[in-house]
Amino acid sequence: SQTIHQWPATLVQPVGSPLSLECTVEGTSNPNLYWYRQAAGRGLQLLFYSVGIGQISSEVPQNLSASRPQDRQFILSSKKLLLSDSGFYLCAWSRTGFNEKLFFGSGTQLSVL
Amino acid sequence: GDSVTQMEGPVTLSEEAFLTINCTYTATGYPSLFWYVQYPGEGLQLLLKATKADDKGSNKGFEATYRKETTSFHLEKGSVQVSDSAVYFCALVYGGSQGNLIFGKGTKLSVKP
Repeated sequence: SQTIHQWPATLVQPVGSPLSLECTVEGTSNPNLYWYRQAAGRGLQLLFYSVGIGQISSEVPQNLSASRPQDRQFILSSKKLLLSDSGFYLCAWSRTGFNEKLFFGSGTQLSVL
Repeated sequence: GDSVTQMEGPVTLSEEAFLTINCTYTATGYPSLFWYVQYPGEGLQLLLKATKADDKGSNKGFEATYRKETTSFHLEKGSVQVSDSAVYFCALVYGGSQGNLIFGKGTKLSVKP
């Protein structure tokens, strides 16, 4: 069966510090991978998605970046965190193809102070 | 642009009460519609979906009908249980983007015994 791992579960970082959130998927190959964020009082917002190694599409301009160094690894990064980067970050995967359902990780609650 | 609006929470009900969580959408074309649920401490998971007008999605006693005329996809359950306490997200998928979803803000449901 397929599983998705995301860590850490919670993170408190000072403004200006770097960020690295990691997500890995097991039990499937060539998945589509996604990073979502839920800021306070807002719906989940798609940040990045990837259809293959080294292929990253960004949905919104921001202070964050994503990388996919391996088929089942997706990393969310920032060189310098902003207060506005605080939120709940979710990694997800889906099979290739249109309208495939998403499977989500358990999320990371990031607080930037 | 495409968007999803769902009722504000939190919603607090007694066990065996009837549940309705309203969801309306704005979209060009004919999106597919979803309800996702996030139980405490767990990742988001798909609850039900409907892919075309008048379709009814159902799962675990929950139902939602895709109403094109009212652009709605309200979630209902006839008799809620304490174990239904969770955050519920309405979402739609917009065309041509690898199954990417637009989410509502989420509605927190608390069911009291």
